[in-house]
Amino acid sequence: KAGVTQTPRYLIKTRGQQVTLSCSPISGHRSVSWYQQTPGQGLQFLFEYFSETQRNKGNFPGRFSGRQFSNSRSEMNVSTLELGDSALYLCASSRRTDFASTGELFFGEGSRLTVL
Amino acid sequence: DAKTTQPNSMESNEEEPVHLPCNHSTISGTDYIHWYRQLPSQGPEYVIHGLTSNVNNRMASLAIAEDRKSSTLILHRATLRDAAVYYCILRDTYTGTASKLTFGTGTRLQVTL
Repeated sequence: KAGVTQTPRYLIKTRGQQVTLSCSPISGHRSVSWYQQTPGQGLQFLFEYFSETQRNKGNFPGRFSGRQFSNSRSEMNVSTLELGDSALYLCASSRRTDFASTGELFFGEGSRLTVL
Repeated sequence: DAKTTQPNSMESNEEEPVHLPCNHSTISGTDYIHWYRQLPSQGPEYVIHGLTSNVNNRMASLAIAEDRKSSTLILHRATLRDAAVYYCILRDTYTGTASKLTFGTGTRLQVTL
């Protein structure tokens, strides 16, 4: 069974640019969530999508956005990049109903973004 | 979100058991106790979870205090591949925020020969 796939694995951008990261969840998983990991702040929740709808959002500015497609694949976008956006961006998928999640989250290996 | 407290780091010898403690004094009745670990250069990986009773799986055991204010992750025989950061997380599975895991700083486990 294929795991969670994130692309690209590594990328370098400059301040002011925008970036789009992609996540393909495990087949059959309808929930995709995104996390940012930095040395200073650790792992922080960005947002969760289920059935193409954002269900939860973390405490991040509006420059961070995402979407989910009908096949459950998800993308996140960061506009007007800042140096502090340099981080490992992790995607996780899980089975989910409208009312609850069952079982664990399965994380991808992440996309490492460096902003110069 | 209810918070957890873990030691910053622990060391173990290979082939010996490891007990990783977690305090969660403000846990609510619907919070499940989850453990994840993150190996170097990888995303977090689920280890185990439980609500009230002790739990066992192929990776580890979870011992939950009777008052649920603390728990212990037990690796029965640590190997070098178990060197990772271990996160204890409280997760309210049934409120719709279940995918919003709140990671603390975790415990960095070092395993030596």
